[in-house]
Amino acid sequence: EIVMTQSPDTLSVSPGERAILSCRTSQTIYNNLAWYQQKPGQAPRLLLYGASTRATGVPARFSGSGFGTEFTLTISSLQSEDFALYHCQQYEGWPRTFGQGTKVEIK
Amino acid sequence: EVLLVESGGGLVQPGESLRLSCSASGFTFSSSTMHWVRQAPGKGLKYISGITGDGGTTHYTDSVQGRFTISRDNSKNTLYLQMSSLRVEDTAVYYCVIRHTIGYYEHWGQGSLVTVSS
Repeated sequence: EIVMTQSPDTLSVSPGERAILSCRTSQTIYNNLAWYQQKPGQAPRLLLYGASTRATGVPARFSGSGFGTEFTLTISSLQSEDFALYHCQQYEGWPRTFGQGTKVEIK
Repeated sequence: EVLLVESGGGLVQPGESLRLSCSASGFTFSSSTMHWVRQAPGKGLKYISGITGDGGTTHYTDSVQGRFTISRDNSKNTLYLQMSSLRVEDTAVYYCVIRHTIGYYEHWGQGSLVTVSS
């Protein structure tokens, strides 16, 4: 099983600032990585796939990078609606696995 | 519009059974591989089971193998998860998801809460 490790567990950021979230995998997944956003009481929402391709309707302030085992999600200028829980997921190996999540909170 | 609506969750005792349903609309259900993903309270997401569009191939994670059964009725556009021998650690919100052909989860249901407690 591919182990996914996200860091940090919690990120405190002021509105308007940039947030950088990290996701590391235990073996290479090439670019088979997705990012999801989850707000309290809601289902996750697909943000990015292929490590860097934004899903339909996702604002341009969300960007992704990385290949192999190290990946990054950047939110360029945090808006109030961006404070949420973020998950990374690999779809290279079986079973599909997720990171433990990074909570982005208001500083 | 793609819509996935789970139902069937609730409170059960350890060892009991429960069947979740996921009603789908807005896409070609019979052509879509569907998965179940769960999230225990305060925890991360975990894939537990998947089924191909024709129902011919199923897959389970080790923790539910032999206890859970995934199935589908393409005539009713409905996905099922039959859960038996439930354990306290199965307590979670269960989401049905559409697996994109590439592998990521494009659409999620709103989730159904299953609580296993004595």
